[in-house]
Parts: sequence; C-alpha cells; structure tokens
Amino acid sequence: AQSVTQLGSHVSVSEGALVLLRCNYSSSVPPYLFWYVQYPNQGLQLLLKYTSAATLVKGINGFEAEFKKSETSFHLTKPSAHMSDAAEYFCAVSLLYNNNDMRFGAGTRLTVKP
Amino acid sequence: EAQVTQNPRYLITVTGKKLTVTCSQNMNHEYMSWYRQDPGLGLRQIYYSMNVEVTDKGDVPEGYKVSRKEKRNFPLILESPSPNQTSLYFCASSLSSGGAYGYTFGSGTRLTVV
Repeated sequence: AQSVTQLGSHVSVSEGALVLLRCNYSSSVPPYLFWYVQYPNQGLQLLLKYTSAATLVKGINGFEAEFKKSETSFHLTKPSAHMSDAAEYFCAVSLLYNNNDMRFGAGTRLTVKP
Repeated sequence: EAQVTQNPRYLITVTGKKLTVTCSQNMNHEYMSWYRQDPGLGLRQIYYSMNVEVTDKGDVPEGYKVSRKEKRNFPLILESPSPNQTSLYFCASSLSSGGAYGYTFGSGTRLTVV
C-alpha cells in the first residue's frame, strides 16, 4: 500500500528565508502526489499536485515541489517565506482512479518568525 | 462558487445526545468522504461514498453513521456521542476517489463532547 512520510512535524523559518518541507512516499506504481495547506481555523486547500507531466510543479502563493523518483521524494519549497505562509502543510499520495486510496501525511506545521 | 459546505462550524454537546453534521457540495462530485483530525494523528478517514447510495467504512468508523441519498449531501451522524469523539471533522469531495483529482475540503466542524 502507498504511504507518505513528512519529515519534521514542526519547521520554523525566518521571514525571507527559504522554506523546505520534506515529503517522501512509498508506492509500487507511479503515484500522484499532492500538497495541501491548512490555515488556522480553515479546511485543507490544494496547493499543488504532480500528475506525471512536469517533475517540477508550481503551485499557488509561490510554492513549488519537485518529484524525484530516484529519491521517492516530493519536497515543497518556497524561496522566501512570508508571515502569511504560517500554516500546517500536508503531503498526500494517490494511485488509481476510484480506489479510495488517497493517503495523507501527518502534517508539518510551519512557523515564520519576523 | 465551487465549495463544500459543512454545518455547524462549532458544536458543544453532551454525551449520548444524537447529532448530525451536514455536508453539501455544489460541484456534482461523485466521491465524498469524512475525516477527523486530531493532534499528532493527522487526518483519519471515517467513511466515504463513491456515489449515491454507495458508502463504505474508512479507518475509524466506530460510533459514526453516514448516508448518501442525494449526490450533493453526505451527512455524518453520531448516534450516541462520547468524549473520545471530540475532534475536528472535515468533509471532502472529488470527481474521483483516487488518481489525479485532488480533494475539495469543507471548512471543518469542531465538535466537543462533554
């Protein structure tokens, strides 16, 4: 069965610094990969997704993620953190259509210091 | 606006008093699902539905019921709530339960059972 592991339950960066949130997946077949963001008191919002086209995926709010098959990774990055980026981020993996197989990571809480 | 609407947003209830959390989507999505989110445990699936009149258990179904009589609605029913069901609940919908489709989430329902 597929799964994702998010390394670091809490990441803290300074405003303007690089944001790097790590996600590794395990899957027996080529996966679809997603990053979601959850702002305080809100639901999860799709940030970006990898669907086997370009390996570098750009999302909303300046975030991007790169699919690296050799490393089974899908890390999320942003060159310069903004205070408004403070949120919880979830990586997720899915395989087949109509299979109820979306699996979420445990989440990484990003704190941005002024 | 395409959205998933959950009600209520906040609910405090007493042990044993039946309650229903409503979920409605306006995107004609076939797939709907309920999750609970607890600190340190991430998202855990309660029930899901592939289509009208088709529902199935997720990872933590005990103490919950669902129904899918119409495509747009997927209510979550707690027949006899207990304090261990105190949690943040999310409804999600998608064109498909897997593959390249991401999920659209509701804003959440914070339930407290005393």
